[in-house]
Amino acid sequence: AQRVTQPEKLLSVFKGAPVELKCNYSYSGSPELFWYVQYSRQRLQLLLRHISRESIKGFTADLNKGETSFHLKKPFAQEEDSAMYYCATLTGGGNKLTFGTGTQLKVEL
Amino acid sequence: SQTIHQWPATLVQPVGSPLSLECTVEGTSNPNLYWYRQAAGRGLQLLFYSVGIGQISSEVPQNLSASRPQDRQFILSSKKLLLSDSGFYLCAWSWGSEQYFGPGTRLTVT
Repeated sequence: AQRVTQPEKLLSVFKGAPVELKCNYSYSGSPELFWYVQYSRQRLQLLLRHISRESIKGFTADLNKGETSFHLKKPFAQEEDSAMYYCATLTGGGNKLTFGTGTQLKVEL
Repeated sequence: SQTIHQWPATLVQPVGSPLSLECTVEGTSNPNLYWYRQAAGRGLQLLFYSVGIGQISSEVPQNLSASRPQDRQFILSSKKLLLSDSGFYLCAWSWGSEQYFGPGTRLTVT
């Protein structure tokens, strides 16, 4: 079964510091990977997907097939980036998603 | 535009009581529908998904069931709740690979 691993439950950084949220996947083929974000008192929403190769709110994520990773990065953290971040991959039919356990990002002043 | 609704927002139920959580989608037709449970430290667990009316796939064995009586309605049910059913339940829809989530229902079983 496909699996997504987010090793950090909590990541605390200072404002202006670089951020890297780790995500590793297990899949032998070509995965389709996503980052979802849940801000306080808001709905879970898509942040970005690897096939679009775009930067959203200053975040980027590059698929590294050699390391089976899809880490989320931002060069300078902002206070409003504080949220729960989930890495996910498409699984099987029905466009099902397998989520990681999530990383709570806390940006401190 | 498409919207997804869930109700109730919060629910406190005694052990052994029945459960019915409802999810409806507006502004789209024939969406894929999903029920997830979100638990601290365990992330999002897919419980059920549906690709059409009356078509339900269960992802994990459990005390819950799901039904899709109409195209844009997805219901999560239980005949007798267990303490372990407590959690935050999210409904989602998709029409491609991106999923759109509802506001969730916080269920506490006492």
